[in-house]
Amino acid sequence: EVQLVESGGGLVQPGGSLRLSCAASGFTVSSNYMSWVRQAPGKGLEWVSVIYSGGSTYYADSVKGRFTISRHNSKNTLYLQMNSLRAEDTAVYYCARDFDLGYWGQGTLVTVSS
Amino acid sequence: QSALTQPPSASGSPGQSLTISCTGTSSDVGVYNSVSWYQQHPGKAPKLMIYDVSKRPSGVPDRFSGSKSGNTASLTVSGLQAEDEADYYCSSYAGSSRWVFGTGTKVTVL
Repeated sequence: EVQLVESGGGLVQPGGSLRLSCAASGFTVSSNYMSWVRQAPGKGLEWVSVIYSGGSTYYADSVKGRFTISRHNSKNTLYLQMNSLRAEDTAVYYCARDFDLGYWGQGTLVTVSS
Repeated sequence: QSALTQPPSASGSPGQSLTISCTGTSSDVGVYNSVSWYQQHPGKAPKLMIYDVSKRPSGVPDRFSGSKSGNTASLTVSGLQAEDEADYYCSSYAGSSRWVFGTGTKVTVL
């Protein structure tokens, strides 16, 4: 069974950093498209980043240069390193698998506030 | 990349049909057959309901169907049921390894 479990969210001050993790089971992270999608409180979904099986990475303009997506193959885990955080980055962050985002985790809340 | 445009709300009575539109541009919906639809209940993660415009993942009832014409994609829910009450989001591949989501539609079953 495919499972995705996010962790690492919390309260951080503006300008701070946070690393989110997405532990996968039931499949191999490095063999799949893996994405991060976020949802601000009461708002819609926003695509954030993707890493392809070959290792190429891509980002939404809103996070480019501040966020880094990566994976640890032996831990079968996806990461999102978030630097220079802003209030507008406050959201639930979901990891998802596949080109069409067929599998989602339960999300982890990131709050950027002083 | 601007969000795809969806109506903020839609409603129908049990047993009726309901269609939600998703309007993009010739750079996303209009050029790629990679349109997906997601259902999201309050406090839950989104669930894939339709992919590649009109394909249903295993386990999704055939009451859900998708289509596309030009820059607009549509999700139709036939035989509305109480459990269909949720937020629905479309998404489209937008080229250059980027995706764009719709603004979301809140579906109410009367």
